[in-house]
Amino acid sequence: DTGVSQNPRHKITKRGQNVTFRCDPISEHNRLYWYRQTLGQGPEFLTYFQNEAQLEKSRLLSDRFSAERPKGSFSTLEIQRTEQGDSAMYLCASSLNAGGWDTQYFGPGTRLTVL
Amino acid sequence: GNSVTQMEGPVTLSEEAFLTINCTYTATGYPSLFWYVQYPGEGLQLLLKATKADDKGSNKGFEATYRKETTSFHLEKGSVQVSDSAVYFCALRLEYGNKLVFGAGTILRVKS
Repeated sequence: DTGVSQNPRHKITKRGQNVTFRCDPISEHNRLYWYRQTLGQGPEFLTYFQNEAQLEKSRLLSDRFSAERPKGSFSTLEIQRTEQGDSAMYLCASSLNAGGWDTQYFGPGTRLTVL
Repeated sequence: GNSVTQMEGPVTLSEEAFLTINCTYTATGYPSLFWYVQYPGEGLQLLLKATKADDKGSNKGFEATYRKETTSFHLEKGSVQVSDSAVYFCALRLEYGNKLVFGAGTILRVKS
């Protein structure tokens, strides 16, 4: 069990550029979540997958955001035409749902800075 | 809507002092309640949880009791250590949901 990993750990980009983040969940975890955390705040839910299906999206996830989990393993979060307000820590979490309730395990996050 | 409110920090304590971090929530039904901890430079880690009223979650000397009547889940520890310095987040998960709803976090600083 190597834990949830996220890449890159830091990303600096210019406004208007596209960025993509990757999350590798704990192996065999069937659920994967994305959250966003701004300075001084708790994480806010963005979206989650069960296997490859995206089952819920927050209103926070504008049309410029898209997330995929093509084979039910790793996931990518893409932000198009970045804005300064997108600067935040993007957190990924995974869990194993086996009929009961499940514990979400978080990765270290990707810190995005939009200049 | 569903929300979590935590006491504002930072909370600064001397080693071996008693710790309380207040957490109250607003939610429909019977949510599950959690405390997560974030040590400097690390990701969020689950500290403890409680899934129904009057349950007590405990781990590493920390405790929290799910109080439905006061909609609270206060975190306590009898004797803090310098290594407990971190940011603590209270969170809920709705009865029929999957996402976590977090509070803003409370910074704890413990001095030797």
